[in-house]
Amino acid sequence: GQNIDQPTEMTATEGAIVQINCTYQTSGFNGLFWYQQHAGEAPTFLSYNVLDGLEEKGRFSSFLSRSKGYSYLLLKELQMKDSASYLCAYSASKIIFGSGTRLSIRP
Amino acid sequence: GAVVSQHPSRVICKSGTSVKIECRSLDFQATTMFWYRQFPKKSLMLMATSNEGSKATYEQGVEKDKFLINHASLTLSTLTVTSAHPEDSSFYICSAREPTSGNEQFFGPGTRLTVL
Repeated sequence: GQNIDQPTEMTATEGAIVQINCTYQTSGFNGLFWYQQHAGEAPTFLSYNVLDGLEEKGRFSSFLSRSKGYSYLLLKELQMKDSASYLCAYSASKIIFGSGTRLSIRP
Repeated sequence: GAVVSQHPSRVICKSGTSVKIECRSLDFQATTMFWYRQFPKKSLMLMATSNEGSKATYEQGVEKDKFLINHASLTLSTLTVTSAHPEDSSFYICSAREPTSGNEQFFGPGTRLTVL
């Protein structure tokens, strides 16, 4: 089966840190994507984790635990422009997206 | 990164007409392209996988006679919404796998379809 879950909405403060969790269950798995999507626009690539562990890329980091079917996206030093939806997606024979997490940043 | 374009970006049509959306990989050849549909404030729903030179693979619940997909070349896939109805109004996004980038998919900018 194919199942992927993430929180629907989150709110955080400018300058703070926020962690967006994603859990998945799938019989086939190659890796885990994180995408950012602003309203009315197509998704843009943030990260792709294949191996367990944390990968850091500037203010954004992504973590994967294959054995637990768990990933998170960590955003540091939040800026107002980070207000967007964040989509996790796992890659098998095709990419399956979660429902997305709408992140709102308050001043 | 690789670039994927879509045309048109916006289209408004009357109910009962057909609309064709093009998806092009601009600087690479894509043997596989994907078509997604997204409703407001919802995530992307995979509609079908478009394979160059062969029939598309449709996801469960997606009518293949309603959403015609043609992948005639390594850089172009088209999605035709036939006999469109207001419930077909949505944001349609294509993506393509760039062969040297592993499993990463590159997304087009999307096409917003409004059926009156």
